[in-house]
Amino acid sequence: GAGVSQTPSNKVTEKGKYVELRCDPISGHTALYWYRQSLGQGPEFLIYFQGTGAADDSGLPNDRFFAVRPEGSVSTLKIQRTERGDSAVYLCASSLAGGRGDTQYFGPGTRLTVL
Amino acid sequence: KQEVTQIPAALSVPEGENLVLNCSFTDSAIYNLQWFRQDPGKGLTSLLLIQSSQREQTSGRLNASLDKSSGRSTLYIAASQPGDSATYLCAVENYGQNFVFGPGTRLSVLP
Repeated sequence: GAGVSQTPSNKVTEKGKYVELRCDPISGHTALYWYRQSLGQGPEFLIYFQGTGAADDSGLPNDRFFAVRPEGSVSTLKIQRTERGDSAVYLCASSLAGGRGDTQYFGPGTRLTVL
Repeated sequence: KQEVTQIPAALSVPEGENLVLNCSFTDSAIYNLQWFRQDPGKGLTSLLLIQSSQREQTSGRLNASLDKSSGRSTLYIAASQPGDSATYLCAVENYGQNFVFGPGTRLSVLP
């Protein structure tokens, strides 16, 4: 079956612009996670959805970042007034139930470059 | 705040060698620890998961150990192959349900 997919694979934007990154989780997975990975670093947790609601958004760096999952499937990460420091690979993962130890399946990521 | 470090940052070995990758974490109150593999342009693949009550896990040529009290884990790769070349990431799962990742070890296995 299909894994986690993310679009676009690459996004180049100018400082100050608005961007949306999309994640399609594995069908039937109730939990969805967003991470950000800067060059040479491990992924950094941003937000975790259980169904349609954000169960933990403690990793969002500031109020320019927002994510939604309106129907409990596809999720969109939205970044307003982008800054050069937002340049990174944004990874999405999904898991069946979201409990502790539940295997997370990662997508290939979206590479965001802010000029 | 949990912090995870990994050494070495990069490692290059000839094919066939056994090798050890190291992971350290500052807060021993973890739920579990996972080792992931990341290939360029691809997502992460889970290799081994060790529950906090366990000491080690094995899968094929891979063996991961966990010493929670000292905040350490090692990933042992036996008889390395060029196909093992990738970045290996260690991640601890806190009771808050989110992962904290280390920076990774970039492994190159030379034919």
